[in-house]
Amino acid sequence: EAQVTQNPRYLITVTGKKLTVTCSQNMNHEYMSWYRQDPGLGLRQIYYSMNVEVTDKGDVPEGYKVSRKEKRNFPLILESPSPNQTSLYFCASSLRPYGTQYFGPGTRLLVL
Amino acid sequence: AQTVTQSQPEMSVQEAETVTLSCTYDTSESNYYLFWYKQPPSRQMILVIRQEAYKQQNATENRFSVNFQKAAKSFSLKISDSQLGDTAMYFCAFLIMDSNYQLIWGAGTKLIIKP
Repeated sequence: EAQVTQNPRYLITVTGKKLTVTCSQNMNHEYMSWYRQDPGLGLRQIYYSMNVEVTDKGDVPEGYKVSRKEKRNFPLILESPSPNQTSLYFCASSLRPYGTQYFGPGTRLLVL
Repeated sequence: AQTVTQSQPEMSVQEAETVTLSCTYDTSESNYYLFWYKQPPSRQMILVIRQEAYKQQNATENRFSVNFQKAAKSFSLKISDSQLGDTAMYFCAFLIMDSNYQLIWGAGTKLIIKP
């Protein structure tokens, strides 16, 4: 089944404790993105990647890191999480930037 | 700065009615794509419809259609014969076809279909 998977789905952590949210797609897509969704603000793009080893900042990259060592995986790293990073996070992929984006199920993160 | 504005935070209509969600955007570019995505209570994001800016003909997908006014930078979504399953958040987004390829999203419109 074609899909985008994210793990974990829910995470509670404390300020400063490094964490990684994994994202994997099995559709051989080139374009992958990370978003955060906050009430009243919609979706905001954190980072995106056009292909392996190619990543670019989106609207809100501060406090986040990504890597794209393999085409299928695009992990999101929070080196030192802070409470303002409490949010719902989505990973998405598409064959091309202008193509249909397929979203993962979301990761609900709470930073205390 | 490139922005997307969805001026209706929330709307509700009766089942079977037609509803139009508004979206305006701001860009000086001419080559771009526009999208409407739906997020039902399950939180799963699903593409509803897509429009290429160079195409004058409005995109349609079954009960969903758009009214694309390029000069006015407007991209509204019309849902005909609305169904209970259309209850969701609807997000408008656009992508500029340059070296950036960043997607810009609106804040969303919460649509409630009442039985």
